[in-house]
Amino acid sequence: GQNIDQPTEMTATEGAIVQINCTYQTSGFNGLFWYQQHAGEAPTFLSYNVLDGLEEKGRFSSFLSRSKGYSYLLLKELQMKDSASYLCAVMDSNYQLIWGAGTKLIIKP
Amino acid sequence: GAVVSQHPSWVICKSGTSVKIECRSLDFQATTMFWYRQFPKQSLMLMATSNEGSKATYEQGVEKDKFLINHASLTLSTLTVTSAHPEDSSFYICSASGTSGDSYEQYFGPGTRLTVT
Repeated sequence: GQNIDQPTEMTATEGAIVQINCTYQTSGFNGLFWYQQHAGEAPTFLSYNVLDGLEEKGRFSSFLSRSKGYSYLLLKELQMKDSASYLCAVMDSNYQLIWGAGTKLIIKP
Repeated sequence: GAVVSQHPSWVICKSGTSVKIECRSLDFQATTMFWYRQFPKQSLMLMATSNEGSKATYEQGVEKDKFLINHASLTLSTLTVTSAHPEDSSFYICSASGTSGDSYEQYFGPGTRLTVT
């Protein structure tokens, strides 16, 4: 079966750095997405990785290792507004998104 | 970036009635639209995938006669929840992907919160 694993909840301090991990087992791979979702809102796109390595975009970076079935989202200089759920999703060989359950990130002052 | 709108943003209906939710891609042609449902504190669950001009493909466990999907044009898809029941109360989100922009990225609508009383 297809499976996406990410931690259920993480807590970090304002101004710090946090890394959210995602491991996956899917039938085929056509890219991995990270989305941010605030409570009661639709997800918003953060990043897309299809090749191994690190993609940096401002305070957010995403890393992919296809051989290990592993990705992480790195958030730097955390702000209170970063409190949200972070969803990892993998596009499989049928170009369908398989979603993780999301990681709820709590930022404390 | 591409914009997807949904209407209404929230709706309250009585049990047994039907509700239609619209999803529009405003500045691109959406060849494929996806409908998701999200219950509180749970992840997104794909309900169906629809390609313009063809019948929607429903995920296992989703009743196609209850959740009617129409994707008649490249900019509009509708989801009709027929004979709604309180257990259908949820957050319904559509997303669209098209032939422009980053490959395979899905652009999400803002969601529709349905409450069935």
